[in-house]
Amino acid sequence: GAVVSQHPSWVICKSGTSVKIECRSLDFQATTMFWYRQFPKQSLMLMATSNEGSKATYEQGVEKDKFLINHASLTLSTLTVTSAHPEDSSFYICSARSRLYEQYFGPGTRLTVT
Amino acid sequence: AQSVAQPEDQVNVAEGNPLTVKCTYSVSGNPYLFWYVQYPNRGLQFLLKYITGDNLVKGSYGFEAEFNKSQTSFHLKKPSALVSDSALYFCAVRDRSGGGADGLTFGKGTHLIIQP
Repeated sequence: GAVVSQHPSWVICKSGTSVKIECRSLDFQATTMFWYRQFPKQSLMLMATSNEGSKATYEQGVEKDKFLINHASLTLSTLTVTSAHPEDSSFYICSARSRLYEQYFGPGTRLTVT
Repeated sequence: AQSVAQPEDQVNVAEGNPLTVKCTYSVSGNPYLFWYVQYPNRGLQFLLKYITGDNLVKGSYGFEAEFNKSQTSFHLKKPSALVSDSALYFCAVRDRSGGGADGLTFGKGTHLIIQP
């Protein structure tokens, strides 16, 4: 099946700094990618939809100025957590949508803000 | 708005027995339905999907699911459980009539524990 990678897999940062997470579709082009957030022992919550060449669409309650999304190419989307705080600590998972409506998920990035 | 319900937080099954993980959904139109599995500290792995056609869908690792429109259900099943099937299972839905590229709505997840 299709492969989606995320980098880094684990990051620790200090409060107030920014962190960039990359999501890449390795063997297919994805005009649409999604960013999810998962708290411990909870389900995935959709944060935003990333469309190549246009602005991301954010879900209600997600601060677009805090979670910056850039979908620069058909294989790369980035999520930047700006001015991170401890409450931003979470597991961030991206997915890339194939033309068959399947979503292929990355392995996730665990962010810890100290 | 679309939603997914997984009524069981945890399902315990003895190895070799059949297993069922329940899922019901709510969408305004016709659904795309998915099952994913997640192992600790890992991303989601796709198991199977229902888009259209045969209501019984077969997926990876011997899993299958049956789409029941009248009961708005999409239960995950396997005839004979393996200890290695122990993981967190998510059911997800997307409204087919939503157009665009809407993200999936996930259920809260069900921990499947297979006992040797």
